Amino acid sequence: DTGVSQNPRHKITKRGQNVTFRCDPISEHNRLYWYRQTLGQGPEFLTYFQNEAQLEKSRLLSDRFSAERPKGSFSTLEIQRTEQGDSAMYLCASSQPRGRGTGASYEQYFGPGTRLTVT
Amino acid sequence: DAKTTQPNSMESNEEEPVHLPCNHSTISGTDYIHWYRQLPSQGPEYVIHGLTSNVNNRMASLAIAEDRKSSTLILHRATLRDAAVYYCILKDSGGSNYKLTFGKGTLLTVNP
Repeated sequence: DTGVSQNPRHKITKRGQNVTFRCDPISEHNRLYWYRQTLGQGPEFLTYFQNEAQLEKSRLLSDRFSAERPKGSFSTLEIQRTEQGDSAMYLCASSQPRGRGTGASYEQYFGPGTRLTVT
Repeated sequence: DAKTTQPNSMESNEEEPVHLPCNHSTISGTDYIHWYRQLPSQGPEYVIHGLTSNVNNRMASLAIAEDRKSSTLILHRATLRDAAVYYCILKDSGGSNYKLTFGKGTLLTVNP
C-alpha cells in the first residue's frame, strides 16, 4: 500500500488556461473525495465518488470544474478557464475498504495535494 | 454538520503532554468525533476518532465528556514532529456522505 498519490504536485498556469489533476487512491478504497484548501483555512469539500459514481458536488464546484473517476479507480479534476481565485491546494482523499459496509467511522487518507498557482 | 470550536493556537514543550480542547455543544447522538492533523506542506492525517467512550491508539488519546459536548485530544509526550494544525471534526453517521467539514483548527507549536 503506497497511500494516496497526486500528480502533479505543483502547477503554475496562466489565467484562462485549462488544468487537470490526477489522484490515485488506495486501491482497495471505494470512496474518493476532493477538497480545496486556501492559505490559512481548513480544507473545503468539493465532491466525492463511490466507485465510479459522483454522488455529491459542493456549490463551490462551479461549471468550470469537472471531476471523473472512470472504472472506479483513479480520478481526475479539471478546471477550465482558470481564474486567479482558483489558486489553492487541491487535496484528494480515499476511504472505505471495498466489501465493508458504509460508516462514518472510517478514516480518510489524504494525498499530498496539488498546489495550483494561477498568474 | 454540527460545528466545533477550537483555540486558534497552543504552545507546548517537547516531551511534555499536550491537551487540545474542542467544544461541540450542538453534537447529535449520531455524530462521531474525529481528529485530523496537518503537518506543514502535507495533506491532513487521521489521528483518532470516537463516539462515546474514551479511545487510545498509538498516536494519541481521545477523552470525551460524559455529555459529549466537548472532547480533548491528548498527546502524551509531544515531539517536534507533532507541530501541526489539529482539526476536530464531527461526522454524522446518520447520513451517507461522510465528507469532512474542517474548521480552522488549532496550530500547535512545540518548543525544543
